[in-house]
Amino acid sequence: AQRVTQPEKLLSVFKGAPVELKCNYSYSGSPELFWYVQYSRQRLQLLLRHISRESIKGFTADLNKGETSFHLKKPFAQEEDSAMYYCALTPNMDSNYQLIWGAGTKLIIKP
Amino acid sequence: EPEVTQTPSHQVTQMGQEVILRCVPISNHLYFYWYRQILGQKVEFLVSFYNNEISEKSEIFDDQFSVERPDGSNFTLKIRSTKLEDSAMYFCASSKGTQYFGPGTRLTVT
Repeated sequence: AQRVTQPEKLLSVFKGAPVELKCNYSYSGSPELFWYVQYSRQRLQLLLRHISRESIKGFTADLNKGETSFHLKKPFAQEEDSAMYYCALTPNMDSNYQLIWGAGTKLIIKP
Repeated sequence: EPEVTQTPSHQVTQMGQEVILRCVPISNHLYFYWYRQILGQKVEFLVSFYNNEISEKSEIFDDQFSVERPDGSNFTLKIRSTKLEDSAMYFCASSKGTQYFGPGTRLTVT
């Protein structure tokens, strides 16, 4: 079955510290992986997707097919990074297909 | 920058009543979606819509649910007879390769 797992419900780090939000998936094909972010009182918005290989707001994520992981990393956290982060996938590299979501990780950056 | 809009932001209804949630997708997008998130739970896919018909639906999307694109701009989700367990945040999204989300409608069924 297709599944996205985010093992941490809450992650709290100090400003300037590195951040890693974990995401593991189970899917037998070739999914496309995404990170969406939801800042307080704002809508879900795409942070990054694995095929674009971009760094957005200092965040990067590498797809590891061997470990079926797509962890989100940032070397130096900022207070404005505090938000809910959701990992999601679409099957078969079709980004117009339904998104399958992880449960989300609440990231709190302490001053 | 164009955005997906949703109305109302909050809807309170009594069990058994019909509700219609409204969405205006981004104008040149081709795919439209409804997702929901029950408080404290994952975001769940309900339905996708392409070329004026449902392209996919989940097990949640039973006969109580329907979608329409009545006028080429609005995209609606109707729940015919609401249940307590329909209480959730409902998100609309539209896509032309990347899914963009509306702000959500919080539905409370009492």
